[in-house]
Amino acid sequence: DGGITQSPKYLFRKEGQNVTLSCEQNLNHDAMYWYRQDPGQGLRLIYYSQIVNDFQKGDIAEGYSVSREKKESFPLTVTSAQKNPTAFYLCASSIALPRGTGLDTQYFGPGTRLTVL
Amino acid sequence: AQSVTQLDSHVSVSEGTPVLLRCNYSSSYSPSLFWYVQHPNKGLQLLLKYTSAATLVKGINGFEAEFKKSETSFHLTKPSAHMSDAAEYFCVVSSGAGSYQLTFGKGTKLSVIP
Repeated sequence: DGGITQSPKYLFRKEGQNVTLSCEQNLNHDAMYWYRQDPGQGLRLIYYSQIVNDFQKGDIAEGYSVSREKKESFPLTVTSAQKNPTAFYLCASSIALPRGTGLDTQYFGPGTRLTVL
Repeated sequence: AQSVTQLDSHVSVSEGTPVLLRCNYSSSYSPSLFWYVQHPNKGLQLLLKYTSAATLVKGINGFEAEFKKSETSFHLTKPSAHMSDAAEYFCVVSSGAGSYQLTFGKGTKLSVIP
């Protein structure tokens, strides 16, 4: 089956701890994304990567870090600097097309719910 | 700059009646527009997308949406609601200038009454 997997499904963190959320895709997509979802606020982009070993900050990158060492993997670390990390985190991937083509459908994983204790 | 406004945060319909979820957008470029559905504690599933080929777009599960440039709208409809349609729906716009530039609406929660 082709798709995007995220683990774990639920994650609990004590204040001051760093935690890493996993995202893996076997769709052979070049681009990968991390979003944060809070109730009533839609999705906000944290980081994205359009190619291995390169990534860019999104709208709310503070307190988060990522790596992209392999095409199929894009882990997100929530650091202790993130003041309000309790949220639902969604990973997505897409074909990285040339700018202006508009064919930019993103496919989403099932999400990880992070709760700070 | 681009933005999306979902005009209703919550819509409630009876099973078997039509569904209308409203979305207005603004974009500096010719936009791509999407509707996604999210069931509780799940990821987002693509319902349909508009990419300038045809103004009436048919999606999965009997949903469709019509792109109206003059009204800057992309409303989602379904002729007859089913209990399984109860979920949250997101309207999304892309400027087309790069696949990372998606802007999400805040969502419309659809309730279906038996």
